[in-house]
Amino acid sequence: GAVVSQHPSRVICKSGTSVKIECRSLDFQATTMFWYRQFPKKSLMLMATSNEGSKATYEQGVEKDKFLINHASLTLSTLTVTSAHPEDSSFYICSARRVSGVHEQYFGPGTRLTVT
Amino acid sequence: GENVEQHPSTLSVQEGDSAVIKCTYSDSASNYFPWYKQELGKRPQLIIDIRSNVGEKKDQRIAVTLNKTAKHFSLHITETQPEDSAVYFCAASSEARGNEKLTFGTGTRLTIIP
Repeated sequence: GAVVSQHPSRVICKSGTSVKIECRSLDFQATTMFWYRQFPKKSLMLMATSNEGSKATYEQGVEKDKFLINHASLTLSTLTVTSAHPEDSSFYICSARRVSGVHEQYFGPGTRLTVT
Repeated sequence: GENVEQHPSTLSVQEGDSAVIKCTYSDSASNYFPWYKQELGKRPQLIIDIRSNVGEKKDQRIAVTLNKTAKHFSLHITETQPEDSAVYFCAASSEARGNEKLTFGTGTRLTIIP
């Protein structure tokens, strides 16, 4: 159990366009999902915390109008990178927490975004 | 906020020997410490975790120790095998902070030499 999927796994887009990444918990309900960004050979940097039915909480330095997060159901959260620039190219990973108060996070396989 | 430091950044170990990775944290309210293994281009996978009410936890060849007083915790891998080669991340979180978000260390690239 505790499987998290992400779609797409890879995406290439042109500068100025928007890209949507989906994160789904396949066999459990996730009250909280987290979005991370990971640069090559670097650690995971938390971008935002997404709670079902409420606005996401963004980390300091993360532009909420650029990285739109929607957590409309207990199994789906989406991250939309708006007006993408080459510097947005990165590996984006989501994670989901099964039940509030339980620490374990289960990670999705990640989405590699390349902005040309 | 929480700050997690991890050492070493790279570690090469002869197959069959042990590997130790160490992390320190700054927030005394942190009470959950997971370790993740990430292979190149793949998702981080939880390999072991420990809560602040215990000092050591073991799962086959993997063990984690926690020293709350000193605010450090360590991952121990014994009888290393080539498939242990990966990047390992420690993390810390606190239920008291209300959202249980994980703060990750900078990672250790472990290479097992056959």
